[in-house]
Formats: sequence, structure tokens, C-alpha cells
Amino acid sequence: NAGVMQNPRHLVRRRGQEARLRCSPMKGHSHVYWYRQLPEEGLKFMVYLQKENIIDESGMPKERFSAEFPKEGPSILRIQQVVRGDSAAYFCASSSDSALANEKLFFGSGTQLSVL
Amino acid sequence: GDSVTQMEGPVTLSEEAFLTINCTYTATGYPSLFWYVQYPGEGLQLLLKATKADDKGSNKGFEATYRKETTSFHLEKGSVQVSDSAVYFCALPSNTGKLIFGQGTTLQVKP
Repeated sequence: NAGVMQNPRHLVRRRGQEARLRCSPMKGHSHVYWYRQLPEEGLKFMVYLQKENIIDESGMPKERFSAEFPKEGPSILRIQQVVRGDSAAYFCASSSDSALANEKLFFGSGTQLSVL
Repeated sequence: GDSVTQMEGPVTLSEEAFLTINCTYTATGYPSLFWYVQYPGEGLQLLLKATKADDKGSNKGFEATYRKETTSFHLEKGSVQVSDSAVYFCALPSNTGKLIFGQGTTLQVKP
């Protein structure tokens, strides 16, 4: 049973370009969470999605950032017109349901985005 | 709102030293509490958890006790190893389903 798969592992973009980060959750998991880890900071929640629905996007910037989790295929975090401040590690996690009291998240290895 | 506060790092210890990483929380009700570990270049892994007050979570020699009276969940290990060098995150679930993490504490163990 493969874990949470994120790709690419490293992504380099120039300012103004678009970045697309992919996350395939564990088999059977329908809940996906995206977190951002800035240098010297902790993990900040960005968005929580279920299949075809955004449940909570309270941590995602209103502009340039979007996320989707289609019925088929991976979840995508899209950053348009990237700026240097977007450079960070982006982690995806999945779970089989939202009852985290007795559940745990499974994390991917992350995508390191570097904006030149 | 709910929040988690960890002691600032980095924490540098010699091998076989005793480790404590402090974590306190603010929450509505009595949520489960978690410690996650992030080894260099990897994602987070669940280290241990406690689901109710006075529970003790343990794994790989690490322990943490859910203290309702002090709203704390400090991580301890009696004898650290070089392989324990990592970033440790305390976390609790919000009522909307997401995990709220502390800022992380970097542990460096020297031989």
C-alpha cells in the first residue's frame, strides 16, 4: 500500500511563472490537507479538501493560490505568478475520514518549491 | 481559537542525555493530542498520541502525558540517540478536521 505520493520532489520556478504541485493520497483516503512549511517556521494549514469539494480554505491566500481534488486523479495545489516569498516546502496529508480524534494523518515527503 | 505552543529550539544534547520538549495548548473541550516527528528531508510521521486526560502516549522510547490541569503534553525521552535528531511537532485537531501544529522544535543529538 503506497503512502502519500507528492511530485515533483523539487520544483524551481522563476518569478511570475506558475507552480503546480501534485498529491496522490493513500489508497482509500478521500480527505486531503495541504500545509506549507516556511524556513524556520512550523507547518501552516492551507486547505482541506474532499473529493470534488473544498471543505476549509481558511489558510490559503485569496490571490494566486487554488486547490482542487477531482473525482479522478491527484489533488493539485496551483500557485500562479509565483513570488520569492512562495519558496517553501509544501506538504500534503491524507486521511480516511475527518474524525481525527482517533485517526491520524499520513504525510507525503513534500515538494520543495524554490522561486528564483 | 485553538492553538499549540512549543518551546523554541534548537535543542542540542549529547547522546544518552535526557530530553524534554515542552508543549502547551489552548483548546475548546478535550481534544486528542499528538506528537509528530520530521526527519531530515522527509514528511511528518506520527510519533505518539493521547486521546484523553491523563493518558500517556509512548513510542520508540518517547513518552508524553496529557495533563488537563496544566494544558500540557510535554515530550520526554530518557536517553536520546543521534538518530533522534529531527524536528518535533506538537499538534491537536481543530473542530473543522484539520490539525493545528506548533512551530516545531529542532533536536540535534551529538555523539
